[in-house]
Amino acid sequence: QKEVEQNSGPLSVPEGAIASLNCTYSDRGSQSFFWYRQYSGKSPELIMFIYSNGDKEDGRFTAQLNKASQYVSLLIRDSQPSDSATYLCAVIIWDGSARQLTFGSGTQLTVLP
Amino acid sequence: GAVVSQHPSRVICKSGTSVKIECRSLDFQATTMFWYRQFPKQSLMLMATSNEGSKATYEQGVEKDKFLINHASLTLSTLTVTSAHPEDSSFYICSAGGGASGNQETQYFGPGTRLLVL
Repeated sequence: QKEVEQNSGPLSVPEGAIASLNCTYSDRGSQSFFWYRQYSGKSPELIMFIYSNGDKEDGRFTAQLNKASQYVSLLIRDSQPSDSATYLCAVIIWDGSARQLTFGSGTQLTVLP
Repeated sequence: GAVVSQHPSRVICKSGTSVKIECRSLDFQATTMFWYRQFPKQSLMLMATSNEGSKATYEQGVEKDKFLINHASLTLSTLTVTSAHPEDSSFYICSAGGGASGNQETQYFGPGTRLLVL
């Protein structure tokens, strides 16, 4: 089982819709969770981080964390074509010797005009 | 805050030469910096973790003698690809831990360096 799993997509949504991106993780002890956006040919850009169960909102983005179910999601409201990118979920996982930021393989999102 | 720069952004070199990539945290001090590599259509792959003033910790399968990392200050880490070969052609990205969030576990990425070895 991969430590951080995401659906690779591609996920397509029409402009103005809500895009929902999901991520599950294997380490029940994980406490820190991150969402990054990566445009094609560019490096990842931090969107937001979340540590506590529940929702965290930042503009059009809402991160949702459920530690009991070991999943974290990202909602993008009023999706725009400029949101088209790969979204990376990242989790701090204990690898036996150190805490390490572990990335999922990413979900490719396309927002259709 | 939390700006990370990389230089150069793109480099083309001949096989057998060495290439140095610089990573700087511009507005914060980064105790820890990370080096990643990403091949086309693939995920980020962590190469090594670099702590200021100490030796880097390399991930399994990454040759420490080929990818030399120096983290001489809290704002600068360098990656040198020694005797580069075409299979080393990739997108190299650094990140720095910390930043304005105050959380050392938050990583901020540089813009990346695209290396092409002929």
